[in-house]
Amino acid sequence: GAVVSQHPSRVICKSGTSVKIECRSLDFQATTMFWYRQFPKQSLMLMATSNEGSKATYEQGVEKDKFLINHASLTLSTLTVTSAHPEDSSFYICSARFAGTRLTDTQYFGPGTRLTVL
Amino acid sequence: KNEVEQSPQNLTAQEGEFITINCSYSVGISALHWLQQHPGGGIVSLFMLSSGKKKHGRLIATINIQEKHSSLHITASHPRDSAVYICAVSGEYGNKLVFGAGTILRVKS
Repeated sequence: GAVVSQHPSRVICKSGTSVKIECRSLDFQATTMFWYRQFPKQSLMLMATSNEGSKATYEQGVEKDKFLINHASLTLSTLTVTSAHPEDSSFYICSARFAGTRLTDTQYFGPGTRLTVL
Repeated sequence: KNEVEQSPQNLTAQEGEFITINCSYSVGISALHWLQQHPGGGIVSLFMLSSGKKKHGRLIATINIQEKHSSLHITASHPRDSAVYICAVSGEYGNKLVFGAGTILRVKS
């Protein structure tokens, strides 16, 4: 099946620094990528939807200046957590979808990135 | 009431048992997804279905559109099946997924 990778898998940083997380679709072109956040023992929360070549669409309550998303190519989307604070510590997961003729095309999930802000 | 409800929240089974996890939803959907998340965090998409039944190995997923209900079955369960199983639905216009809270499954040997 289709493969989505994330890098890094784990990152620890100091408060105030910015962290970039990459999401790559390895064997298909992803016209749409999704970024999720997951708190311990909770389900995934959609943060934003990213379409190649256009601005990301953020969910209500997600600060676009805090979580910068760039979908520069059909195989790469990046999430940058700017001026990270301890409350940003979480598990971040991306997923990618390649557009077929149906809206119901499967999303393929990355392995996730665990961010810890000290 | 959440748009996607899963039951049970927690499930412990003995190796070899037949397992059923249920998912009910209250909105119109274009597709329903079953996902598996292992303790390390990575998510695997198990099934996407919009009608009927799908089978992959020991896993079977069914959906009843009229009743807005889906089930995930695991036959001959094994400790390696221990994971969180998440039901998610795509709305009628596709795109975003709405997630259930997940079912934590533990299979004991």
